[in-house]
Amino acid sequence: GAGVSQTPSNKVTEKGKYVELRCDPISGHTALYWYRQSLGQGPEFLIYFQGTGAADDSGLPNDRFFAVRPEGSVSTLKIQRTERGDSAVYLCASSPGGGDTTRGAFFGQGTRLTVV
Amino acid sequence: LAKTTQPISMDSYEGQEVNITCSHNNIATNDYITWYQQFPSQGPRFIIQGYKTKVTNEVASLFIPADRKSSTLSLPRVSLSDTAVYYCLVGLSGGYNKLIFGAGTRLAVHP
Repeated sequence: GAGVSQTPSNKVTEKGKYVELRCDPISGHTALYWYRQSLGQGPEFLIYFQGTGAADDSGLPNDRFFAVRPEGSVSTLKIQRTERGDSAVYLCASSPGGGDTTRGAFFGQGTRLTVV
Repeated sequence: LAKTTQPISMDSYEGQEVNITCSHNNIATNDYITWYQQFPSQGPRFIIQGYKTKVTNEVASLFIPADRKSSTLSLPRVSLSDTAVYYCLVGLSGGYNKLIFGAGTRLAVHP
């Protein structure tokens, strides 16, 4: 596809369960970002990948959150032992090599996670 | 990373020009100013980026004074479809840019 694709678009899970959220960035983009957004607030930075490596994971709230990008394209955000406070929209973005955002980072539609 | 301050909300009417000002007093020499737009249930979308003076594209204009401690996003002749949240970000253009979002400005355009 032409844009950043995130799946699933919606996910409802029970408290304590494990979830995986997937992001397919724009082909050729080496930089990939994960954010989460709560209602009425701006996106909150979680983690940034440059290629396969996590260059900055300072936004991950705790060790229940983990993200991978094994081949430098698709990324998966993994949340263990989900809590109700994890409910939010999780956004993924990608941008061209070197994290260059001269024309901006391109965001997906997000995955709405609801923990019940 | 420089912190930005924007109005929480603004109201306008169709056909008017809207100016949204962002303060970034601690902007660094190498920082650029970037604006994003976000509609409900969508991810943010890049609008415009600048370093100094004025930048214009097909969507908006960005005015940056000489001291670069503020910037103004100008939307000409808004329509109902411009109702959205607008975010001002400050950071590097090339290299790694962490893209730190604030709360943004919620613009409501009325008929």
